[in-house]
Amino acid sequence: ETGVTQSPTHLIKTRGQQVTLRCSSQSGHNTVSWYQQALGQGPQFIFQYYREEENGRGNFPPRFSGLQFPNYSSELNVNALELDDSALYLCASSLGPQGPYNEQFFGPGTRLTVL
Amino acid sequence: KNEVEQSPQNLTAQEGEFITINCSYSVGISALHWLQQHPGGGIVSLFMLSSGKKKHGRLIATINIQEKHSSLHITASHPRDSAVYICAVLSGGSNYKLTFGKGTLLTVNP
Repeated sequence: ETGVTQSPTHLIKTRGQQVTLRCSSQSGHNTVSWYQQALGQGPQFIFQYYREEENGRGNFPPRFSGLQFPNYSSELNVNALELDDSALYLCASSLGPQGPYNEQFFGPGTRLTVL
Repeated sequence: KNEVEQSPQNLTAQEGEFITINCSYSVGISALHWLQQHPGGGIVSLFMLSSGKKKHGRLIATINIQEKHSSLHITASHPRDSAVYICAVLSGGSNYKLTFGKGTLLTVNP
């Protein structure tokens, strides 16, 4: 059974650029959630995808967007990067969005630095 | 006030001590997660619970839905338990929302 993987591991961008982060969910999982974790802070929920549809969204602007593919892998896209977007981006997969299916399995994260 | 509050923020213990980390929340929830994060970022889910108590090895998690409070206990603590422990609550009904506490940094000294 393959765990959750993310790519790239590290990324450096400049202000105004666009970035795409990728996540492959654990085998059998149809739900992917994305989180932003600034240094020294707890994670903040960005959004969740369940069966290719957005199923919930945190307080992030529209320049944060996502996709989920038929194989349940997912992308996080951030446009017009700002310095404050520098953070660890975590994705987590689960068997489903709610109830006993919601146990989250996290990937190792992508460290994004915006200069 | 944050929807999820953890205490203490930092905790230092000697190997073998019994440890308790607390989590209080202010919203209605359908489940609560306890997570462990080691330096470098990797997060591991320890427990997901919606009532009562769960035990896994030296770790015990309890939740009191009426009091909106959960505790994570570590018995016979060990230096390898040193990590950040994060509480997160699942709310929002059919519209998923997971809200995290800021975490408790635990250091267990030999």
